[in-house]
Amino acid sequence: DTGVSQDPRHKITKRGQNVTFRCDPISEHNRLYWYRQTLGQGPEFLTYFQNEAQLEKSRLLSDRFSAERPKGSFSTLEIQRTEQGDSAMYLCASSLVAGGAWETQYFGPGTRLLVL
Amino acid sequence: RKEVEQDPGPFNVPEGATVAFNCTYSNSASQSFFWYRQDCRKEPKLLMSVYSSGNEDGRFTAQLNRASQYISLLIRDSKLSDSATYLCVVKGLLTNFGNEKLTFGTGTRLTIIP
Repeated sequence: DTGVSQDPRHKITKRGQNVTFRCDPISEHNRLYWYRQTLGQGPEFLTYFQNEAQLEKSRLLSDRFSAERPKGSFSTLEIQRTEQGDSAMYLCASSLVAGGAWETQYFGPGTRLLVL
Repeated sequence: RKEVEQDPGPFNVPEGATVAFNCTYSNSASQSFFWYRQDCRKEPKLLMSVYSSGNEDGRFTAQLNRASQYISLLIRDSKLSDSATYLCVVKGLLTNFGNEKLTFGTGTRLTIIP
């Protein structure tokens, strides 16, 4: 399968614990995005990378959230001291910058986080 | 006001019917527009881009009215497999940081009834 992959697919944690999610984009894609989706809502943008550079962060991304893409390939999203409000689906997407304004973002299957 | 607004539905329509979804966006500087489809507990997938001249892909027709900041999706001869949530998506909203993010509406849930 050459699509975007995410790991784990599901994560249950207790409030206050740290969690880390991984995203592997489509291999030739240089842009990687993180979104968060809660029940009944559309995905909300969190952050994105072009190669290894983090170019944009949403105000939703509090100090407890950090994302990295150290070699411009896979990315990790870490949430420290999780809160119940962090429960959501975390979606990763990738795209090829050459696509311009109409570049298609391809989404992974998501990591579903439940904070107890 | 939300940046992208959609009627959340649900829309329950009989198989074979025509159904239309509408969406409005608030920022006139938005540069590109899309419809994504999301099946239950799955990731969003691109259904079609929406061009200024309007475009069609089989049973699906998308239209954009920049003056009214309005996007539509028409599904003709609906199939059971069309049951999903349809997300209106806008790209290039001006932010403090950049304009590459996608901004999604809440989605419109469609159920096709046999």
